[in-house]
Amino acid sequence: SQTIHQWPATLVQPVGSPLSLECTVEGTSNPNLYWYRQAAGRGLQLLFYSVGIGQISSEVPQNLSASRPQDRQFILSSKKLLLSDSGFYLCAWSVQGNEQYFGPGTRLTVT
Amino acid sequence: AQTVTQSQPEMSVQEAETVTLSCTYDTSESNYYLFWYKQPPSRQMILVIRQEAYKQQNATENRFSVNFQKAAKSFSLKISDSQLGDTAMYFCAFMTDSGYALNFGKGTSLLVTP
Repeated sequence: SQTIHQWPATLVQPVGSPLSLECTVEGTSNPNLYWYRQAAGRGLQLLFYSVGIGQISSEVPQNLSASRPQDRQFILSSKKLLLSDSGFYLCAWSVQGNEQYFGPGTRLTVT
Repeated sequence: AQTVTQSQPEMSVQEAETVTLSCTYDTSESNYYLFWYKQPPSRQMILVIRQEAYKQQNATENRFSVNFQKAAKSFSLKISDSQLGDTAMYFCAFMTDSGYALNFGKGTSLLVTP
């Protein structure tokens, strides 16, 4: 069966510091991968998606970037965090069909 | 642009009763997909049910079923025999046939009481 991992689960970082969140998927090959952000009291907003190694599409211009160095690894990064980057970050995967399956998420607080 | 509206910010239901959560959406696309996701206190998003727009038959998954009205652009979720574990935030989501992004509503917080 497929599983998706995200780490860290919780992160507190000062403004201006770098960020690296990692997501890995097991049990499937060549998945589509996604990064979403959920602000307090709201639904999810798609930040990036990837249909293959090295292929990244950005949905929202922002202070963040994404990379896919391996087939089942998706990384969300920032060189300098802003207060507005605080939120709950969810990674998701899909293969055939349109349903997406989500990881456990990372709660990021920028102080 | 596609929008998803959930007009009920909070709902409450007693255990074993039935509850219906509302969702409407706006799109000019003819082929698309609709989803209900559940987000319990752990905050992991869990897929509850999926509906293809070209299918007239309403999707059903155990105690969960939908009422899909394409002309009205309505996609409600019915939970039968509610259980305490159904307490969660429920999100309606939409995706076009050619797209990658799930467009989410703002969610309905459901509380199941004993």
